[in-house]
Amino acid sequence: NAGVTQTPKFRVLKTGQSMTLLCAQDMNHEYMYWYRQDPGMGLRLIHYSVGEGTTAKGEVPDGYNVSRLKKQNFLLGLESAAPSQTSVYFCASSREFWSRGDSNQPQHFGDGTRLSIL
Amino acid sequence: TQLLEQSPQFLSIQEGENLTVYCNSSSVFSSLQWYRQEPGEGPVLLVTVVTGGEVKKLKRLTFQFGDARKDSSLHITAAQPGDTGLYLCAGKKNRDDKIIFGKGTRLHILP
Repeated sequence: NAGVTQTPKFRVLKTGQSMTLLCAQDMNHEYMYWYRQDPGMGLRLIHYSVGEGTTAKGEVPDGYNVSRLKKQNFLLGLESAAPSQTSVYFCASSREFWSRGDSNQPQHFGDGTRLSIL
Repeated sequence: TQLLEQSPQFLSIQEGENLTVYCNSSSVFSSLQWYRQEPGEGPVLLVTVVTGGEVKKLKRLTFQFGDARKDSSLHITAAQPGDTGLYLCAGKKNRDDKIIFGKGTRLHILP
């Protein structure tokens, strides 16, 4: 059982380039999330999805776009990369939407994508 | 404004010692979760606490949710090198709020 798989694991971009980070989960989870983790900042929610075909903004959505065309995949796009977007990006999925109700269901995280923008 | 303050930021202790790390807020949270994250990996859920005053144990780890649901603590007894990692607390204030993560406590257990 692979769980949550993120590709690529590492990437270096030049300012202004675009790229897409792919997240795939094989647990049939409805809910998926993209976070960025920066030193001294903790995990911050970028965008999330409550089901196939739906997306919503999180805490720090500017400069990113997402798509959830298939239930198992959640894509994070950077249209014009900036040095401020250098970070480690984590995708997560959950069976229940943890922000609704007193759910004890965990978010399952991938191993992250380390992205550097020069 | 950081709604969830974790302390200490860093902690390095000898194997076999006990330790406590904290997750504090001035706001009331409906529930809190603790995660452990190892280098190069994503966070892994350890526990969820939902009731004020609740205590949960996971082997040598004891988690407590404050009576007022504004704070939580994680106590580790007889720490082992395998406990090394970044400990994150995460919570939500209300039913429909988004998840908020603290900045974490980086724990290093020396053999």
